[in-house]
Amino acid sequence: DAKTTQPPSMDCAEGRAANLPCNHSTISGNEYVYWYRQIHSQGPQYIIHGLKNNETNEMASLIITEDRKSSTLILPHATLRDTAVYYCIVRVALFSGGYNKLIFGAGTRLAVHP
Amino acid sequence: ETGVTQSPTHLIKTRGQQVTLRCSSQSGHNTVSWYQQALGQGPQFIFQYYREEENGRGNFPPRFSGLQFPNYSSELNVNALELDDSALYLCASSSGEGPLSYFGPGTRLTVL
Repeated sequence: DAKTTQPPSMDCAEGRAANLPCNHSTISGNEYVYWYRQIHSQGPQYIIHGLKNNETNEMASLIITEDRKSSTLILPHATLRDTAVYYCIVRVALFSGGYNKLIFGAGTRLAVHP
Repeated sequence: ETGVTQSPTHLIKTRGQQVTLRCSSQSGHNTVSWYQQALGQGPQFIFQYYREEENGRGNFPPRFSGLQFPNYSSELNVNALELDDSALYLCASSSGEGPLSYFGPGTRLTVL
């Protein structure tokens, strides 16, 4: 079973920031938070991941609360191409030959509109 | 650096038949995982191969089997197809030492 809880759907206006929440209240100390997204009928695409510090890359920012029980993915300037299902996943860091299973929940369906 | 590729893109089979799906992992990646994604649901982990050995399996029956080759490409075989096997089958590769999985575009299987 997925260890995360996400709202089933969200809307965002084009050009505005999209803030996607995720609850992971049972996260362990060695588990990272990963975000993937899946544009219709394509394979999931990695966005960002983090352990406890906030992270930013060219796609998004990840804000993790101090108690690590929740996080928010921020798309600073959403475009129509960001319309997708966004998955929040918690998992331990991979080691060589390690078990790389990702447990996907239902995700959040983000609709960006003009 | 080439990405993960899968073939075929689409496939139609009838109940009871067998199917083989193929995946070429990203250059330098030695771990391949397969996922099944039914319509409207998140991907479900089937199994993982590392250096040609299965080293992890999800809740799927034995009629789902796989192979990994010395070049780290992989096959997913499904025997005795059932209607519920209709889904998008995704392959993901990773380096085994990095935290990221890179997914292919998937194969859409329809069982009639």
